[in-house]
Amino acid sequence: DAKTTQPPSMDCAEGRAANLPCNHSTISGNEYVYWYRQIHSQGPQYIIHGLKNNETNEMASLIITEDRKSSTLILPHATLRDTAVYYCIVRSGNTPLVFGKGTRLSVIA
Amino acid sequence: SAVISQKPSRDICQRGTSLTIQCQVDSQVTMMFWYRQQPGQSLTLIATANQGSEATYESGFVIDKFPISRPNLTFSTLTVSNMSPEDSSIYLCSVTGQGTNTEAFFGQGTRLTVV
Repeated sequence: DAKTTQPPSMDCAEGRAANLPCNHSTISGNEYVYWYRQIHSQGPQYIIHGLKNNETNEMASLIITEDRKSSTLILPHATLRDTAVYYCIVRSGNTPLVFGKGTRLSVIA
Repeated sequence: SAVISQKPSRDICQRGTSLTIQCQVDSQVTMMFWYRQQPGQSLTLIATANQGSEATYESGFVIDKFPISRPNLTFSTLTVSNMSPEDSSIYLCSVTGQGTNTEAFFGQGTRLTVV
């Protein structure tokens, strides 16, 4: 079973920052937080991952709380193409990803 | 990153028949996995494809129904056997590259419809 909890859906205005929360209160010390997204009818796309420090790449920023029990994925300037289901997953090593239900983000013009 | 090619991209099959899905990666990878995504649902792990040995199946999935091969580090197949309409799903291949705590990559999936 997935070890994360996410809101089922969120809306965001185009051009604004999208902040997607995730709770993972039972995360273990060696587990990383991964974020993926799935645009309709496509395979999941990797976004970002981190252990305890905040991370940023060309797609997004990942903010992990100090106690590591929750995190937030930030899309700084959401576009219509960011409309997708976003999955927050905790994982250690190269074990298979276990998907929960994710958050359906709708970016609105 | 790894580039994954899945074939076929989609198919419509008669019940009672079998379909073999291929997953080809452009580089050697450590781990290969197969997932199923039923309509409107999230992804469910079917099995881990082990190179040179039998796959490791998750609860609810059995080898007779979903035989898997992985003859080398870049290729795997998943067969959906004796299909019924309930097998209509997207089947996805996923790989993890060299190293630990590295991201996993996904193919574009095979959309299977059983009639």
